[in-house]
Amino acid sequence: DAGVIQSPRHEVTEMGQEVTLRCKPISGHNSLFWYRQTMMRGLELLIYFNNNVPIDDSGMPEDRFSAKMPNASFSTLKIQPSEPRDSAVYFCASSLLLDYVFRDTQYFGPGTRLTVL
Amino acid sequence: GENVEQHPSTLSVQEGDSAVIKCTYSDSASNYFPWYKQELGKRPQLIIDIRSNVGEKKDQRIAVTLNKTAKHFSLHITETQPEDSAVYFCAASRGPNFGNEKLTFGTGTRLTIIP
Repeated sequence: DAGVIQSPRHEVTEMGQEVTLRCKPISGHNSLFWYRQTMMRGLELLIYFNNNVPIDDSGMPEDRFSAKMPNASFSTLKIQPSEPRDSAVYFCASSLLLDYVFRDTQYFGPGTRLTVL
Repeated sequence: GENVEQHPSTLSVQEGDSAVIKCTYSDSASNYFPWYKQELGKRPQLIIDIRSNVGEKKDQRIAVTLNKTAKHFSLHITETQPEDSAVYFCAASRGPNFGNEKLTFGTGTRLTIIP
C-alpha cells in the first residue's frame, strides 16, 4: 500500500499567489482530513470529508481557504490569495469509517511544506 | 468544543528509564484517544490508541491508560531507547455516531532520550 500521497512536498510562493495542495487517500478509505501544523498553533484540523462530503469546515481559517473532494481518491486544498502567515506544513490524513459507527485510525501523508514569501 | 491539554511540553529521560506523558480532555463524550509520534521533519504516526470501553492497553514497551471519570489519559514508555526521541501528541475525539468526530490534538511533548 502506497499510503496517503501528497503533492507537492514543498511549495514556495509569493504573497498573493494561488496555492493548490493535493492529496490521494489510501485506497478504500472513505474519510479524508486536512490539517495544518505550525510551531505557534500546533496541529489543527482544517476540514474533513466523509464519503466525499464536507462534514466540518469550522477549522478553515477564512474565505481564502477552500477544499474539494471531487471523488474518493482525490482532494485539493486551495489558498487564494496566499499570505505569509499561511506558511506551515499541511498534512492530509485518511481513515475508514464503518457504517457510521466505527472510526479506524487516521493515517497521515508526508505533508506539504508551504512557504509564502 | 473539545480542549486537550498535554504535559509536560519537554521531557528528558535517561536511556533505559521510563517516560510518562499526561493529557486531560474536556468533552465527556470523547471516546477515542490516539497517541502519535512525530520525528523531525516527518509525518505524525500512530503508536497506540485506546477506546473508552477499556482502561489500559499495552503494546510491547508502550502502554496507555485512561481514566474516564477524571478525563485524563497517559502514555507510558518503558525501557526507553534513543529512537524514542521525538515529539509525542495525544488526541481525543467523539465517535462518529455523535455527528462530529474531529480529532483535537494536544500541544505535544518533546521527548529526548539521553544515552
